[in-house]
Amino acid sequence: GENVEQHPSTLSVQEGDSAVIKCTYSDSASNYFPWYKQELGKRPQLIIDIRSNVGEKKDQRIAVTLNKTAKHFSLHITETQPEDSAVYFCAASPGGTASKLTFGTGTRLQVML
Amino acid sequence: GAGVSQSPSNKVTEKGKDVELRCDPISGHTALYWYRQRLGQGLEFLIYFQGNSAPDKSGLPSDRFSAERTGESVSTLTIQRTQQEDSAVYLCASSLGVYNEQFFGPGTRLTVL
Repeated sequence: GENVEQHPSTLSVQEGDSAVIKCTYSDSASNYFPWYKQELGKRPQLIIDIRSNVGEKKDQRIAVTLNKTAKHFSLHITETQPEDSAVYFCAASPGGTASKLTFGTGTRLQVML
Repeated sequence: GAGVSQSPSNKVTEKGKDVELRCDPISGHTALYWYRQRLGQGLEFLIYFQGNSAPDKSGLPSDRFSAERTGESVSTLTIQRTQQEDSAVYLCASSLGVYNEQFFGPGTRLTVL
């Protein structure tokens, strides 16, 4: 089955700096890659997603890049703010269907003042 | 409109007892998912319902776990003869379709003593 690895497990950055979280996946048939943000004690919320027919997608301060050949994708947050502090999860859809997402183990991002 | 709701929010039970968790998806969402999130871990797929199709049960960890869904509405996840390793937050999500954003409920925190 699909295996998704996520790094780093924790990340501390100064406010205003950029943060990058990386994930690798094993199933070359995966074609949908969402990123979720989970604040402490709250439910996960989708922040951005990318499909395998594009290599990059951007939404304001957040961007995701996908390298299908290397089977990895990354989340980039620029100009980080304290409210960006949360756990971020990447996910991949094995076998080409988005119905059964395999999640990474999460990255705890802390933005320091 | 209302988001995904789950009940109860917290459940404490004794080892060996059965528990039933409920999920009310967003109205009109044909797809419904159950995940398990152990403390400090990522989300683990359990089961997926799409309309009237047979559910994808491939993520259920044992035959003690089962789930049902009534049409395109309420779903219940049942865990029989609970074990301590079943302690986790159980999250439900729904989406318009398999390639649409999954909206998560607040989760049910299950503690098995």
